Amino acid sequence: EAGVAQSPRYKIIEKRQSVAFWCNPISGHATLYWYQQILGQGPKLLIQFQNNGVVDDSQLPKDRFSAERLKGVDSTLKIQPAKLEDSAVYLCASSLGLAGGGEQFFGPGTRLTVL
Amino acid sequence: AQSVTQLGSHVSVSEGALVLLRCNYSSSVPPYLFWYVQYPNQGLQLLLKYTTGATLVKGINGFEAEFKKSETSFHLTKPSAHMSDAAEYFCAAPGSARQLTFGSGTQLTVLP
Repeated sequence: EAGVAQSPRYKIIEKRQSVAFWCNPISGHATLYWYQQILGQGPKLLIQFQNNGVVDDSQLPKDRFSAERLKGVDSTLKIQPAKLEDSAVYLCASSLGLAGGGEQFFGPGTRLTVL
Repeated sequence: AQSVTQLGSHVSVSEGALVLLRCNYSSSVPPYLFWYVQYPNQGLQLLLKYTTGATLVKGINGFEAEFKKSETSFHLTKPSAHMSDAAEYFCAAPGSARQLTFGSGTQLTVLP
């Protein structure tokens, strides 16, 4: 079974530039999550999708971050414009559903450096 | 809201020694608790999961964790550390919408 795929793995941009990350979850997984992991901290949920609907985006900085999952499969997270404090690893995860005991499977992450 | 606290951002043990990584959750008893491991430049991998019932949970790679309601704890242990156990470990609990709240992580170093 293929795992969660993310691209790119690494990205370096200047502040005020735009950047986009892509995630393809495990086939059949209805729930998709984007996390931000700043160095030395645990992952923080940015947004959670159930199929193509948003379940929770309360911690997404909506003035600069956006995410979509138009067909309920793969997803894109965008930052526009980027700030220095956005430097982090962006993790995508997926799970079968919203059932509380469902294990989340994580992709390798995209490491973003904003200069 | 659920919160998770991991005591000790860095833990060093000698190879073959006991590993003890500490995790405490907030006062509301969660239905599930998780430990994840993250190796350098990789995503998180599930080590073990607690669900209501058995308080001692066994996971992969010889790790286990004990749920103690009276202490609001879910500490991770391994009897004998191996060099390959060096990684960062995260405790996590689900929130109201099943999203995970993670602790700040504990970096485990295994000394030869």
